[in-house]
Amino acid sequence: ELTQPPSVSVSPGQTARITCSGDALPKRYAYWYQQKSGQAPVLVIFEDDKQPSGIPERFSGSNSGAMATLTITGAQVEDEADYYCYSADSNGNHWVFGGGTKLTVL
Amino acid sequence: EVQLVESGGGLVQPGGSLRLSCAASGFTFSRNWMTWVRQAPGKGLEWVANIKQDGSEKYYVDSVRGRFTISRDNAKNSLFLQMDTLRAEDTAVYYCARDTVFWDSHTSAWYRGGGGIDFWGQGTMVTVSS
Repeated sequence: ELTQPPSVSVSPGQTARITCSGDALPKRYAYWYQQKSGQAPVLVIFEDDKQPSGIPERFSGSNSGAMATLTITGAQVEDEADYYCYSADSNGNHWVFGGGTKLTVL
Repeated sequence: EVQLVESGGGLVQPGGSLRLSCAASGFTFSRNWMTWVRQAPGKGLEWVANIKQDGSEKYYVDSVRGRFTISRDNAKNSLFLQMDTLRAEDTAVYYCARDTVFWDSHTSAWYRGGGGIDFWGQGTMVTVSS
């Protein structure tokens, strides 16, 4: 199971941090997805801290202990979305999403 | 351009069956694990099942094991989800998704890496209702 806060709110230009806690995270990579209303999810961070091409540099990730964190440095209005963390169980065969965090930037 | 296009969704009665398909293009389909993810209306994402490149390994979330079957046809670049004994709680948008694969220049081989999803289709809606 992965646990995320239901909501995070920041003003434009501020730093938004979204956490994801889970017992298997010390042994497994974390992935982060952005989902805007009515759209399919988009990968924003993979393998804890790697950026896919085309993702703004303001998106970064970390994974320490049993907690992964998605950081948006200088959040923009267009970053408003639901964010989901994703990881495997301790055996690596079954996967789970966090419950999702609604980010509000206003 | 990478594309994943799902089809086969619709309205079905409880206890009925549906077969979802996903047509892949723009990449070498046989290199990647593939995954199905669903999202109930107004709810979060739920991992449903995944399948190894050659179909020799398949894993399911507990709530669908024994009712759903994931399969693939690499010759036709297609992924499938056979859904039987459907329940109202299976109502959701179903997404086809591609797992990561990376090129290792030292070994000259493709490898799965961490195994998460790097690309999603647009989804197909499944509604289970009488």
